[in-house]
Amino acid sequence: SQQGEEDPQALSIQEGENATMNCSYKTSINNLQWYRQNSGRGLVHLILIRSNEREKHSGRLRVTLDTSKKSSSLLITASRAADTASYFCATDAESQKLVFGQGTRLTINP
Amino acid sequence: DAGVIQSPRHEVTEMGQEVTLRCKPISGHNSLFWYRQTMMRGLELLIYFNNNVPIDDSGMPEDRFSAKMPNASFSTLKIQPSEPRDSAVYFCASSLQRFRYEQYFGPGTRLTVT
Repeated sequence: SQQGEEDPQALSIQEGENATMNCSYKTSINNLQWYRQNSGRGLVHLILIRSNEREKHSGRLRVTLDTSKKSSSLLITASRAADTASYFCATDAESQKLVFGQGTRLTINP
Repeated sequence: DAGVIQSPRHEVTEMGQEVTLRCKPISGHNSLFWYRQTMMRGLELLIYFNNNVPIDDSGMPEDRFSAKMPNASFSTLKIQPSEPRDSAVYFCASSLQRFRYEQYFGPGTRLTVT
């Protein structure tokens, strides 16, 4: 079973708009990570948020973590065409493994 | 740093043949991971090494799969014999320490078994 599950599976927005993706997980975690994958490429780490943190920023990215709801969100502000990619959350809870969700496919329309 | 290096980038082989995928992790990283990505199953962890020692291979599908890490700068994933259902993109990733730090992924090897 997937530890982290992203929602929505696909998201299409206009350039300049904000994009929000959500991740839910089942068991307690030490940290949660977000990755981006461009088509045909490997995953690229975006942000790591620890279980005792509630919010973290990196440039146009904002990640929140709600351990009581076992959920996280990734917000990309002022989206650009280059943000078109799949976004994955990953958690480290299950048997000490980093488990990835199925991802959200984000499309930014010019 | 050149990042994680994988070879080959593409591999097409016939069912029954042996396939060897190669990975060079980032220098100084002591954890190495092999993943497989398919549309149906997403990204799956196959095996990971810490300080060149295999820690957990429970994700390896079956005995046809094997992985080695003879030294800190090289790892292989071997499939023998290969089957069409092994067709996938195989990623190698490395990190400073297991799962508490970010992982750096290679570009992947796209394997097609006909």
